[in-house]
Amino acid sequence: NAGVMQNPRHLVRRRGQEARLRCSPMKGHSHVYWYRQLPEEGLKFMVYLQKENIIDESGMPKERFSAEFPKEGPSILRIQQVVRGDSAAYFCASSPREGYNEQFFGPGTRLTVL
Amino acid sequence: GQQLNQSPQSMFIQEGEDVSMNCTSSSIFNTWLWYKQDPGEGPVLLIALYKAGELTSNGRLTAQFGITRKDSFLNISASIPSDVGIYFCAGPTGANSKLTFGKGITLSVRP
Repeated sequence: NAGVMQNPRHLVRRRGQEARLRCSPMKGHSHVYWYRQLPEEGLKFMVYLQKENIIDESGMPKERFSAEFPKEGPSILRIQQVVRGDSAAYFCASSPREGYNEQFFGPGTRLTVL
Repeated sequence: GQQLNQSPQSMFIQEGEDVSMNCTSSSIFNTWLWYKQDPGEGPVLLIALYKAGELTSNGRLTAQFGITRKDSFLNISASIPSDVGIYFCAGPTGANSKLTFGKGITLSVRP
């Protein structure tokens, strides 16, 4: 199965802890997007990365959130010092090249902050 | 920023019925995408539309790209129980193809 993979599927953290969400894009895809979905809402763009580069982070909160997509390995979305408002489903999507509008989503990571 | 509007929030239909849902925007989109999300899963791409006026089918699904480029429609014919889910419209915004999503329509199908 060459689909987008995300792990963990569920993550529980206490306030103040760190959350690390991982995303492996589809085989052959080098562009990764992260989105956040709050209950009964649509997905909201957070950040767009290509290998080793952050291209657009206009949707990501300035503090506590960071993302990377190293040369080797999955893309990581990192949330430091989590707060209850960070509880949401986080999805990553991948596409094969720049300007390709169809994005393919992973199953998501459901983050719960206690 | 650009927004996509989907209403109503929920739709309830009988198995076997057809259903139509639309998506509107105050801004022009050059691509319209329709996704379906099952509970606990990620969105799955159903149909992509690239040209104004384009009508595209995928099995029992048919979608149209509005002529004004400010709306799109998705039709599901002869609904079945597995059509239950949330249907999102989406379109790329800006130079980096980041997607803007509507809030989605939750479809329920009564057997």
